[in-house]
Amino acid sequence: DQQVKQNSPSLSVQEGRISILNCDYTNSMFDYFLWYKKYPAEGPTFLISISSIKDKNEDGRFTVFLNKSAKHLSLHIVPSQPGDSAVYFCAASRRGIIQGAQKLVFGQGTRLTINP
Amino acid sequence: DVKVTQSSRYLVKRTGEKVFLECVQDMDHENMFWYRQDPGLGLRLIYFSYDVKMKEKGDIPEGYSVSREKKERFSLILESASTNQTSMYLCASHTGYQETQYFGPGTRLLVL
Repeated sequence: DQQVKQNSPSLSVQEGRISILNCDYTNSMFDYFLWYKKYPAEGPTFLISISSIKDKNEDGRFTVFLNKSAKHLSLHIVPSQPGDSAVYFCAASRRGIIQGAQKLVFGQGTRLTINP
Repeated sequence: DVKVTQSSRYLVKRTGEKVFLECVQDMDHENMFWYRQDPGLGLRLIYFSYDVKMKEKGDIPEGYSVSREKKERFSLILESASTNQTSMYLCASHTGYQETQYFGPGTRLLVL
């Protein structure tokens, strides 16, 4: 069962406009969410995260929104730039253990293409 | 900066061969992970380790084993490679105080 889902395999956005990537989860025990960005032939790099006690977290051009009642999060990129073209993965975890290995559950990924 | 390195970027092996994938991190992280990435499936956890000589199965451990003899090194072993193990393999690590995992560049394995 796919506990974290990214239902859009791909998204194409014009440079300068807003990119919105969506992610849904089913496990209500998840309390921490992350977005990773991945270029071809490279490992994923951490982008931004949000705890379940917040509904929004912003870092420069990137904002993540969390709607706990809908079990939905989204990543907004504004303005979109050509270098943002990559695959974006959302991931979720349970923070309950203060120390210890935190297992991340990843979505399938969304390929974002920014067109000039 | 955290650095996670993987021993090979590309590997080609034959069915039935024993395959070793090595991962090394330089940040003294307690926790290390092995994932595989396949199109349409995202990243799936194979095994993880929270301490030297300690390991836990992830979501898809079948056909794999791991070894962690030193804190900085985590090895993934394919005992008898099969074609359905052709994939991108990603290693990651993190400290117990943070959720953010740091990934290596990946090893693309082709099993013929």
